[in-house]
Amino acid sequence: GDSVTQMEGPVTLSEEAFLTINCTYTATGYPSLFWYVQYPGEGLQLLLKATKADDKGSNKGFEATYRKETTSFHLEKGSVQVSDSAVYFCASTNQAGTALIFGKGTTLSVSS
Amino acid sequence: GAGVSQTPSNKVTEKGKYVELRCDPISGHTALYWYRQSLGQGPEFLIYFQGTGAADDSGLPNDRFFAVRPEGSVSTLKIQRTERGDSAVYLCASSQSGANVLTFGAGSRLTVL
Repeated sequence: GDSVTQMEGPVTLSEEAFLTINCTYTATGYPSLFWYVQYPGEGLQLLLKATKADDKGSNKGFEATYRKETTSFHLEKGSVQVSDSAVYFCASTNQAGTALIFGKGTTLSVSS
Repeated sequence: GAGVSQTPSNKVTEKGKYVELRCDPISGHTALYWYRQSLGQGPEFLIYFQGTGAADDSGLPNDRFFAVRPEGSVSTLKIQRTERGDSAVYLCASSQSGANVLTFGAGSRLTVL
């Protein structure tokens, strides 16, 4: 079945460091791709999305580019802040287009 | 409402008991989803409603799990004969149409003793 694989954490960085969280998907065709974030004590929130190949989603300094050739949607940020500490989930629509399939999540911890 | 509301926020029950979890989606959202999130894992799809009907229930783990949405708004997830392995956070999400941008509720944490 469809699946999403993202790098395991935790990822521990110092403030202003560069962040990459890798994500690959298996759904065939042209799924939509998403990054959701869960801040401590809060619910899941949409961070960014891309709906077709080569699209770049961006929000709050985070970016991810839909790479069809490598079935990837890696999350990047040039300079992380302490407030970015959270769990990040990569997701894709399933092949039927009826639901989102999530990765296991990557915990990011940023220290000052 | 302004967001997706789930009740109860916490439920502790004993093995073998029956449990109902309620979700009140954003007003006007026709699509409603139930997910289950175990500790350290990502949300796992359970069921998707479009309006009143279950359009995709392929994620329900077995026949102890059932969900309804009789008027196309509020939904109830029902778990019969609960088992310890059912302990998880049950998330509800809604969207204007299908699997696009989902807005999640805060979840109902179920603990089966």
